[in-house]
Amino acid sequence: GQNIDQPTEMTATEGAIVQINCTYQTSGFNGLFWYQQHAGEAPTFLSYNVLDGLEEKGRFSSFLSRSKGYSYLLLKELQMKDSASYLCAVMDSNYQLIWGAGTKLIIKP
Amino acid sequence: GAVVSQHPSWVICKSGTSVKIECRSLDFQATTMFWYRQFPKQSLMLMATSNEGSKATYEQGVEKDKFLINHASLTLSTLTVTSAHPEDSSFYICSASVGDAGELFFGEGSRLTVL
Repeated sequence: GQNIDQPTEMTATEGAIVQINCTYQTSGFNGLFWYQQHAGEAPTFLSYNVLDGLEEKGRFSSFLSRSKGYSYLLLKELQMKDSASYLCAVMDSNYQLIWGAGTKLIIKP
Repeated sequence: GAVVSQHPSWVICKSGTSVKIECRSLDFQATTMFWYRQFPKQSLMLMATSNEGSKATYEQGVEKDKFLINHASLTLSTLTVTSAHPEDSSFYICSASVGDAGELFFGEGSRLTVL
């Protein structure tokens, strides 16, 4: 079966760095997405990785290793507004998005 | 980025009535839109894929007669929850993809409460 694993919850301190991991087992691979979702709101797109390596976009970076079925989202200089759920999603060989359950990130002052 | 608008944001209805939720792509044409529902503290669950001009493709376990999807134009898809029951209360979200890259843009979501 297809499976996306990410931690349920993480806590970090304002100004610090946090890494949210995602491992996946899917039938085929056509890219991995990270979305941010604040409580009660719809998800917003953060990043897309289809090749191995690190993609940096401001305070957020996303890494992919296809051979390991592994990705992480790195958030630097954490701000209180970064408190949200972070969803990892993989596009399989049928171009269907398989969603992880999300990681709730709690930022403390 | 592309804008997807969803309406209404909140809706409360009585059990047995039907509710229609609209999803519009405001600045692009979306041949494909997706409908999800999300229960508290859970991930998105894809309900159906809506294709302009053709019947929607429903995921396993989703009742097509209960969740009617119409994609009448390249900028509008609607989800109608028919004969709503309290267990249909949920957060319903639509999204649309731009191009072939698969990046999705989401509507604001619609919170349905069935009394």
